[in-house]
Amino acid sequence: GAGVSQSPSNKVTEKGKDVELRCDPISGHTALYWYRQSLGQGLEFLIYFQGNSAPDKSGLPSDRFSAERTGGSVSTLTIQRTQQEDSAVYLCASSLVARPGGATQYFGPGTRLTVL
Amino acid sequence: QKEVEQNSGPLSVPEGAIASLNCTYSDRGSQSFFWYRQYSGKSPELIMSIYSNGDKEDGRFTAQLNKASQYVSLLIRDSQPSDSATYLCAVNSGNQFYFGTGTSLTVIP
Repeated sequence: GAGVSQSPSNKVTEKGKDVELRCDPISGHTALYWYRQSLGQGLEFLIYFQGNSAPDKSGLPSDRFSAERTGGSVSTLTIQRTQQEDSAVYLCASSLVARPGGATQYFGPGTRLTVL
Repeated sequence: QKEVEQNSGPLSVPEGAIASLNCTYSDRGSQSFFWYRQYSGKSPELIMSIYSNGDKEDGRFTAQLNKASQYVSLLIRDSQPSDSATYLCAVNSGNQFYFGTGTSLTVIP
């Protein structure tokens, strides 16, 4: 596909369970970002991958959150022992390159996570 | 102080009018600036990008950047009901992108 894809589109889970969210960036895009958007709020940066460099994890809210990017392409965001406050839309974005001067980010459709 | 600030609105304009959306940012080293449109329940969609001082026009949209004042705006001419959405301002500083909380725009037919 031409755009960023994410799966699942919706995830309902019980408090305390682990969840995995997947992002397929646009082919050839070296930079990948995860954001979280709570209802009526702006985008909260979570983590950033650029090529083979160490990821910028400065936005992860707790050690229950982790992410990996395999082969410089697909990324998985894992939330362990989910809490109700983790309920949000998780958005993935990719860009051709991330550098000063910037490159445009393109967003996936998001995964809506609901923790009961 | 937030990195990027926007008036949350809601902003209401009649159909055919000009809608003006404003954004300020704190990092003087920021180099790239973006406006995204987000419909309810959807992901952000890029509207405009701007990198240098002045105006950049694309169809009905004009982005304006003033780095000295750390201010970026989006003008929507001939506003249409389909323009009703939340508009997010984003600023690129280094490897990070900072987003405002968005301005809700309603265009009244």
